[in-house]
Amino acid sequence: GAGVSQTPSNKVTEKGKYVELRCDPISGHTALYWYRQSLGQGPEFLIYFQGTGAADDSGLPNDRFFAVRPEGSVSTLKIQRTERGDSAVYLCASSPNAGGRDTQYFGPGTRLTVL
Amino acid sequence: AQSVTQLDSHVSVSEGTPVLLRCNYSSSYSPSLFWYVQHPNKGLQLLLKYTSAATLVKGINGFEAEFKKSETSFHLTKPSAHMSDAAEYFCVVSDNYSSASKIIFGSGTRLSIRP
Repeated sequence: GAGVSQTPSNKVTEKGKYVELRCDPISGHTALYWYRQSLGQGPEFLIYFQGTGAADDSGLPNDRFFAVRPEGSVSTLKIQRTERGDSAVYLCASSPNAGGRDTQYFGPGTRLTVL
Repeated sequence: AQSVTQLDSHVSVSEGTPVLLRCNYSSSYSPSLFWYVQHPNKGLQLLLKYTSAATLVKGINGFEAEFKKSETSFHLTKPSAHMSDAAEYFCVVSDNYSSASKIIFGSGTRLSIRP
């Protein structure tokens, strides 16, 4: 079946601009996660949704970052006033349920470059 | 508090020889442990996971890992390396009963295979 998809695969923007990154999870998965992966590092948790609500957003670095999942399926990560330090690969994952035992299924990521 | 340490940032082996990727963890509670693989320009893929059942866990592509509580280790092994195993490998720890924010990725080990 279809896996997790993310669009765009690459995004180049200028400092100060606004960007939106989209994630389509596996159909039926109630939990959706966003991570950020900088070069040479492991993924770092940003936020996760259980259904439509953000169950934990403690990983968002500051208030320039925001994410929504209005219908409990597709999610959008929004970054305002982008900075060069926001350049990274943004990963989305979904799982049937949320919890420490559950396998997360990852998308290919969106590579964001802020010039 | 949880943490995970991947002891080698880069491992290089010859094709057909054994692979050992080392991972040590710290967890206050009963942990779940995962190994994910990331091929270039591909999404993270689950290799195997331990969630408090059998301590020797077999995964895909001939990989296996053993949970050793006394050593707080979860090393990944494969008897005979194949060229297609070249990738980045991440060890992940989470608490069995916690939310997603407690999922911690290691910094990764890059595996290279020499012909």
